[in-house]
Amino acid sequence: EPEVTQTPSHQVTQMGQEVILRCVPISNHLYFYWYRQILGQKVEFLVSFYNNEISEKSEIFDDQFSVERPDGSNFTLKIRSTKLEDSAMYFCASSELTGAGEQYFGPGTRLTVT
Amino acid sequence: GESVGLHLPTLSVQEGDNSIINCAYSNSASDYFIWYKQESGKGPQFIIDIRSNMDKRQGQRVTVLLNKTVKHLSLQIAATQPGDSAVYFCAENRGLTGGGNKLTFGTGTQLKVEL
Repeated sequence: EPEVTQTPSHQVTQMGQEVILRCVPISNHLYFYWYRQILGQKVEFLVSFYNNEISEKSEIFDDQFSVERPDGSNFTLKIRSTKLEDSAMYFCASSELTGAGEQYFGPGTRLTVT
Repeated sequence: GESVGLHLPTLSVQEGDNSIINCAYSNSASDYFIWYKQESGKGPQFIIDIRSNMDKRQGQRVTVLLNKTVKHLSLQIAATQPGDSAVYFCAENRGLTGGGNKLTFGTGTQLKVEL
């Protein structure tokens, strides 16, 4: 069964450093998403991406965040200058359809900012 | 403001019993709901969904009920098994009314299955 994959599984970085989280969505999916989950809290939407541009973003997704689809298979989330409060699980998801369509989630990357 | 929330943080059931996990939402414009299961160390896994023009939908061992009058959603798991132990989230998507494609998640309920 096809699945979303993410690398690395755990990333430790120092405050102020840049990090890039990587995702490989399911191959025939057209819509891509990033969510985050701070420990013990609910999953929060960050951004959705379609046709090489952001289609929607939350207030969390400020200028420190960016997304990119550098090639036909990868989808990345970059945090330019990490803060302590960026520590969370980051989940990538993809779907065939927008709107009322099932989103498939990856296993997540645990980001720890020290 | 809009919110999707859960009534109980932890639910313990005996193996073989039925489980009922509840969820309340506050946005009456919500038109699509999804239940996700999240096991420790993994991402959310789709279980079942329901659109607002339905009040019940059944899957394999799972049933979702939607009561739009009181803005309440429930997930019923029949004959609960140890493998059902996980955190269950309800999520809202207003895709049918052009609300975009973001999912708004509830807080989550931890289901513990006792042998």
